[in-house]
Amino acid sequence: AQKITQTQPGMFVQEKEAVTLDCTYDTSDQSYGLFWYKQPSSGEMIFLIYQGSYDEQNATEGRYSLNFQKARKSANLVISASQLGDSAMYFCAMREGSSGNQFYFGTGTSLTVIP
Amino acid sequence: SAVISQKPSRDICQRGTSLTIQCQVDSQVTMMFWYRQQPGQSLTLIATANQGSEATYESGFVIDKFPISRPNLTFSTLTVSNMSPEDSSIYLCSVPGRTYEQYFGPGTRLTVT
Repeated sequence: AQKITQTQPGMFVQEKEAVTLDCTYDTSDQSYGLFWYKQPSSGEMIFLIYQGSYDEQNATEGRYSLNFQKARKSANLVISASQLGDSAMYFCAMREGSSGNQFYFGTGTSLTVIP
Repeated sequence: SAVISQKPSRDICQRGTSLTIQCQVDSQVTMMFWYRQQPGQSLTLIATANQGSEATYESGFVIDKFPISRPNLTFSTLTVSNMSPEDSSIYLCSVPGRTYEQYFGPGTRLTVT
């Protein structure tokens, strides 16, 4: 079974609007971390936000927030007030407590911000 | 966050040859990681490089094909040996952050013809 599932290959959003990128995960560990990364066309991987499995509040970092629903095993990324520079691939990832430093990445969502 | 550089940033190589990719970090780190991202795909961990010990390879990756060196706490190299077109990918190194995140280098775009 896939550890991380991203079901949206591509998304479009109007500039200044909010957008939600979906991510579901599969683990039997109680301790795990969830991450979102942005990959522009240049290829670098930019860390955006982290949510720990024991964190009771949803993580926020500027215009990024993570909608963490533990019972549903989902960790959706919300980008508010989209900007043209947000156009990129977005990857959801998980690190399980039992698997050391192994990161499992989803297949990514390509976000295009429309002026 | 750590500042990570990689060399080369991109290269075009002929099949059967080898390429060594360098990864330099601006701070000392115990572990460094090497990932491969094939065209249009997600990232796959190749190996974990610990200073002073042999690298730990993930399933599907072997030392003969991807030898790794880790001579000190700020530097590592990954060699892609006897290349074929299927090795065309972005290769990224990463290091752990202060909490649980990983920070990635800018990547090396490899095209094998």
